[in-house]
Amino acid sequence: GAGVSQTPSNKVTEKGKYVELRCDPISGHTALYWYRQSLGQGPEFLIYFQGTGAADDSGLPNDRFFAVRPEGSVSTLKIQRTERGDSAVYLCASSLRHGTDYEQYFGPGTRLTVT
Amino acid sequence: DAKTTQPPSMDCAEGRAANLPCNHSTISGNEYVYWYRQIHSQGPQYIIHGLKNNETNEMASLIITEDRKSSTLILPHATLRDTAVYYCIVRVRGGGADGLTFGKGTHLIIQP
Repeated sequence: GAGVSQTPSNKVTEKGKYVELRCDPISGHTALYWYRQSLGQGPEFLIYFQGTGAADDSGLPNDRFFAVRPEGSVSTLKIQRTERGDSAVYLCASSLRHGTDYEQYFGPGTRLTVT
Repeated sequence: DAKTTQPPSMDCAEGRAANLPCNHSTISGNEYVYWYRQIHSQGPQYIIHGLKNNETNEMASLIITEDRKSSTLILPHATLRDTAVYYCIVRVRGGGADGLTFGKGTHLIIQP
């Protein structure tokens, strides 16, 4: 079946601009996660949704970052007033249910470059 | 706080067994050992997990020492497609935070 998909695969934007990154989870998966991966580092947890609500947003670096999942399926990560330090690969993952009993399946990521 | 320690890189000849070590000396009794890998330009992929018994699946074997302070992931017959960064993660199962905490992992390079 179809895996997690993310669009766009690459995004180049200028400093100060607003960007949206989209994640389509595996059909039927209720939990959705966002991670950020900087060059040479492992992925870093940002936020997790159970259904439509953000159950844990403790990893969001500041209030320029926001994510939504209005219908409990597709999610959008929104970054306002982008900075060069936001350049990274943004990964999305989904799992059948929330909780550590269920494995997370990752998408290919969106590479964001802020110039 | 790094909960796991892995060598930054390793080489292995194609067709041989690749043995990837991980130290997790502060692991708690309710924490499992998970392994993920990340092939270049892809998202991480789950491989295997275990608590204290050795585990095997179609991808790999996981050997956990009796004191649970270290473990080894074994790829029995490595192929070029196994070249990837391998992450060892300790995680509470059945509770706790859902977000995975990745370190820098081990970059495994399979040589032809």
